[in-house]
Amino acid sequence: QVQLVQSGAELKKPGASVEVSCKASGFSFTGYYMHWVRQAPGQGLEWMGRINPNNGDTKYAQKFQGRVTMTRDTSITTAYMELSKLTSDDTAVYYCARGDIEYSTSSYDYWGQGALVTVSS
Amino acid sequence: DIQMTQSPSTLSASVGDRVTITCRASQSISNWLAWYQQKPGQAPNLLIYRASSLQTGVPSRFSGSASGTEFSLTISSLQPDDFAMYHCQQYYSYSATFGQGTKLEIK
Repeated sequence: QVQLVQSGAELKKPGASVEVSCKASGFSFTGYYMHWVRQAPGQGLEWMGRINPNNGDTKYAQKFQGRVTMTRDTSITTAYMELSKLTSDDTAVYYCARGDIEYSTSSYDYWGQGALVTVSS
Repeated sequence: DIQMTQSPSTLSASVGDRVTITCRASQSISNWLAWYQQKPGQAPNLLIYRASSLQTGVPSRFSGSASGTEFSLTISSLQPDDFAMYHCQQYYSYSATFGQGTKLEIK
């Protein structure tokens, strides 16, 4: 069965970076776009960007340009999202979500369990 | 970015009620709209894609419709398991955006 298993909760200081991983199984990792979406406490969902695991091509939301980097390791079917220069506004649950097999923009049919990133001094 | 205005923000209803949640896009998005259900402490779960297509495994009491830039999610007969948050998402543009969410609570 399709599974996306994310890394655990993180506590970071302002100005630091955080990397969240997303281990995929049960489907062809290189066949589907992987998206990252975050949700601040009590807030709505916010798309951060996506990666094509087949060739590593990325597209980021303008808001995160220059601060976010999405990568993948096809040998271990894992996607990564690194966010730098953290502030308290980055405190949120970060999700990976599987996109479409064909279109770079799509709905998301499977989601990871989420990784809470807390930014606090 | 395309803005998605979701209403109401909170909806109180009873088991067996028929309810509708609406999302309005700031510009045309064709039918590139999805609906998700999210329960506390869980990831969102896809209910509807392309405005009206029911995701596999989702009960048929959920349905979606579209009229221009206005989209609706209807639950025909509320079940206890349906009380949750609901989010709409447009994926017409490469930068997907979500509505603010609707909390469906028990009256």
